[in-house]
Amino acid sequence: AQSVAQPEDQVNVAEGNPLTVKCTYSVSGNPYLFWYVQYPNRGLQFLLKYITGDNLVKGSYGFEAEFNKSQTSFHLKKPSALVSDSALYFCAVRDLTFNNAGNMLTFGGGTRLMVKP
Amino acid sequence: DGGITQSPKYLFRKEGQNVTLSCEQNLNHDAMYWYRQDPGQGLRLIYYSQIVNDFQKGDIAEGYSVSREKKESFPLTVTSAQKNPTAFYLCASRDPGGSLDNEQFFGPGTRLTVL
Repeated sequence: AQSVAQPEDQVNVAEGNPLTVKCTYSVSGNPYLFWYVQYPNRGLQFLLKYITGDNLVKGSYGFEAEFNKSQTSFHLKKPSALVSDSALYFCAVRDLTFNNAGNMLTFGGGTRLMVKP
Repeated sequence: DGGITQSPKYLFRKEGQNVTLSCEQNLNHDAMYWYRQDPGQGLRLIYYSQIVNDFQKGDIAEGYSVSREKKESFPLTVTSAQKNPTAFYLCASRDPGGSLDNEQFFGPGTRLTVL
């Protein structure tokens, strides 16, 4: 089984400050991890993914995420937040086991990021 | 939204009616997915299809049906058996391409409201 938790419903940060959106996961095998962003009444846009290799993954719009296997976390970060970063962020995991033949993603509940000027 | 179109953008349904949501992709992707999004619950998988003429139930398939007669199209029917159909519906596609690490591409979504 695979699951994802995003412990914060909302994160508030001032423009120019660093931001972190938290994600923890649970899988029985090795994980593929993803971050997506959603703007109001729109579909999800892919930000970045971790497959293997370097634990620090860089993605679109200056975002990055750090894979921490011991803490089973994949937190999304950005050094300097912009007002335009305000959106809903989803973490997702794919468990690389035989039972996930459909390569299905499991999504977290989402975290709303509010960046204030 | 990456070559995936969903229509209509907004849909209103009376109780007891079936409605069909359209999803079309021109990405030549084999796999397609339907998700339902409710506030605070993230995305939940309704149905998925890995190839034409094949589809599988996801976590919340009851009250929904799909077909996959063409690679490009994966319509979702919300039947009258779905007790709480008001939600935002998202379609996605993926290109397996022999690799397990390809992300899913999402359409713009359809907001269904039951009157």
